[in-house]
Amino acid sequence: GAGVSQSPSNKVTEKGKDVELRCDPISGHTALYWYRQRLGQGLEFLIYFQGNSAPDKSGLPSDRFSAERTGESVSTLTIQRTQQEDSAVYLCASSPTSGISYEQYFGPGTRLTVT
Amino acid sequence: AQSVAQPEDQVNVAEGNPLTVKCTYSVSGNPYLFWYVQYPNRGLQFLLKYITGDNLVKGSYGFEAEFNKSQTSFHLKKPSALVSDSALYFCAVRPPSGGSYIPTFGRGTSLIVHP
Repeated sequence: GAGVSQSPSNKVTEKGKDVELRCDPISGHTALYWYRQRLGQGLEFLIYFQGNSAPDKSGLPSDRFSAERTGESVSTLTIQRTQQEDSAVYLCASSPTSGISYEQYFGPGTRLTVT
Repeated sequence: AQSVAQPEDQVNVAEGNPLTVKCTYSVSGNPYLFWYVQYPNRGLQFLLKYITGDNLVKGSYGFEAEFNKSQTSFHLKKPSALVSDSALYFCAVRPPSGGSYIPTFGRGTSLIVHP
């Protein structure tokens, strides 16, 4: 079946511009996560959605970052007034239920470059 | 708070030799443990998990991992390495029920298998 998809695969933007990244989770997966991976670094948690519950935004690094999810489908991560330090790969992952034993399924990521 | 340590940034092994990628964790209660692999320019891919039961867990591509509660470790192993195993490997931990649904990832270990 289809996996997690993300778009665009690559995004180059000028400093100060806003960007929107999209994630399509696997159908039926209620949990959705966003991570940031800087070059040569591990995964940095950004935000977690679970069904219709309020999202866990504890990982968002600043108020320039926001995310939305429509029900249990598509999610968008928005970065306003981008800075060079925002350059990274942004990964989205989904899980089938809220059961914490379930593994995550990752998308291929969006590589963001801020010039 | 939960944490994961991958003490080696890089592991080098000759093709055909056994490999071990180390992971230790800290969490309250019994953990749920995961290994993921990331090939170049790809998202993370699930390898295996420990939830309960047999301490030796077998996963994809001939990998296995052993849960050791007394040493709080979950090392990834493979009896005979392949050049195609060269990738970035991440260990992750989630606490059991009542804890956060957000897993904590290690910083990753780069595995290089030499022909």
